[in-house]
Amino acid sequence: QVQLQESGPGLVKPSETLSLTCTVSGSSVRNGNYYWSWIRQPPGKGLEWIGVVSYSGSTNYNPSLKSRVTISLDTSKNQFSLKLSSVTATDTAVYYCARVRVGPSAPIDDWGQGTLVAVSS
Amino acid sequence: DIQMTQSPSSLSASVGDRVTITCRASQSISNYLNWYQQKPGKAPKLLIYAASILQSGVPSRFSGSGSGTDFTLTISSLQPEDFASYYCQQTYGTPPYTFGQGTKLEIK
Repeated sequence: QVQLQESGPGLVKPSETLSLTCTVSGSSVRNGNYYWSWIRQPPGKGLEWIGVVSYSGSTNYNPSLKSRVTISLDTSKNQFSLKLSSVTATDTAVYYCARVRVGPSAPIDDWGQGTLVAVSS
Repeated sequence: DIQMTQSPSSLSASVGDRVTITCRASQSISNYLNWYQQKPGKAPKLLIYAASILQSGVPSRFSGSGSGTDFTLTISSLQPEDFASYYCQQTYGTPPYTFGQGTKLEIK
């Protein structure tokens, strides 16, 4: 049974960098059957796809965030991480890490519980 | 970016009702379409992938159909645990892999 757990600060100041880590258990981030993704959801709103990292470390990002986002893999710790720079209040959201299954329509088949990150001074 | 439009945005229904939610893509996405269910305060859960394939463990009252630009999620007989929000997601071509704005299914 795979488990994903987000960790990181719940409060970030404007203009600073948001940093989150997802610890994966029950599945290896080096497993070629999966990619690893971040999705966010502002309070009371819908889901926004942030980006994805493959088992080899290659990445794809949402163009609307691309200049500020970095997603990386740490295979030694079976983790992947998100960095979002120059944050503003509009980056306040619940951030989910998730596992994407390689194959037909690449669905997100497992999600972390989510962590609320507020951007405020 | 490919835009996904769900309808309706909200829906009231009763236990036992048959419910259909639609999702329309701004361009053809073949069958690169997934459906998720989200309950308040919880992460989304995968229901249907590749437009019509039921995820393992999901009750058979859920079904999906469509191809190209128009897709539907149908719940054949609503159960109390089905009252939630539902999102479609397209995964066609290059990112971003956008979600619909969601449909909130409420008890009548």
